Amino acid sequence: NAGVTQTPKFRVLKTGQSMTLLCAQDMNHEYMYWYRQDPGMGLRLIHYSVGEGTTAKGEVPDGYNVSRLKKQNFLLGLESAAPSQTSVYFCASSNQGGSNQPQHFGDGTRLSIL
Amino acid sequence: GQSLEQPSEVTAVEGAIVQINCTYQTSGFYGLSWYQQHDGGAPTFLSYNALDGLEETGRFSSFLSRSDSYGYLLLQELQMKDSASYFCAVRAMKGGYNKLIFGAGTRLAVHP
Repeated sequence: NAGVTQTPKFRVLKTGQSMTLLCAQDMNHEYMYWYRQDPGMGLRLIHYSVGEGTTAKGEVPDGYNVSRLKKQNFLLGLESAAPSQTSVYFCASSNQGGSNQPQHFGDGTRLSIL
Repeated sequence: GQSLEQPSEVTAVEGAIVQINCTYQTSGFYGLSWYQQHDGGAPTFLSYNALDGLEETGRFSSFLSRSDSYGYLLLQELQMKDSASYFCAVRAMKGGYNKLIFGAGTRLAVHP
């Protein structure tokens, strides 16, 4: 049972390059999320999706775009990478958005922008 | 807006009990969750409190007081493997959906 799988695990980009982070879940979850984690700041929500074909902005959406074309996949795009986007990115999913539904996290993508 | 406060670091010895506090300020509060994250790993869900009181799961317990906007995670019989970061998170209504808002995390170091 894979759970939530993120690819790639590590990536180094130059300023201005673009890339897409991939997230796949095999738990048939409706809700999916993208977070970034920076030292001393916990997890901050970038974008989320409450179902296939829907996306919404989180706390820190600027500079990122997302797509949820299939229920099991949630893609995070950086159109023009900036050093401020150096971070660890986590994808998560939950069965619903309900209060008692735990979020299941992937192992993270460590992204460095030079 | 929403805000959460928890200590940045806590140190304890193996076999001891440690309490990690979390105070929050939010509107549309639904519940308080705790997540554990080992260095280099993914956050994993530990517990959730929607109502006042204590929830126990093995060596871990979590407490909530809604009137005080306060909760804590209690870890008993500490083991070396409990060394990790612990995040409290409030589920609150924002922008039409309820979302998890995470605190900055408490780094727990367990020593022999």
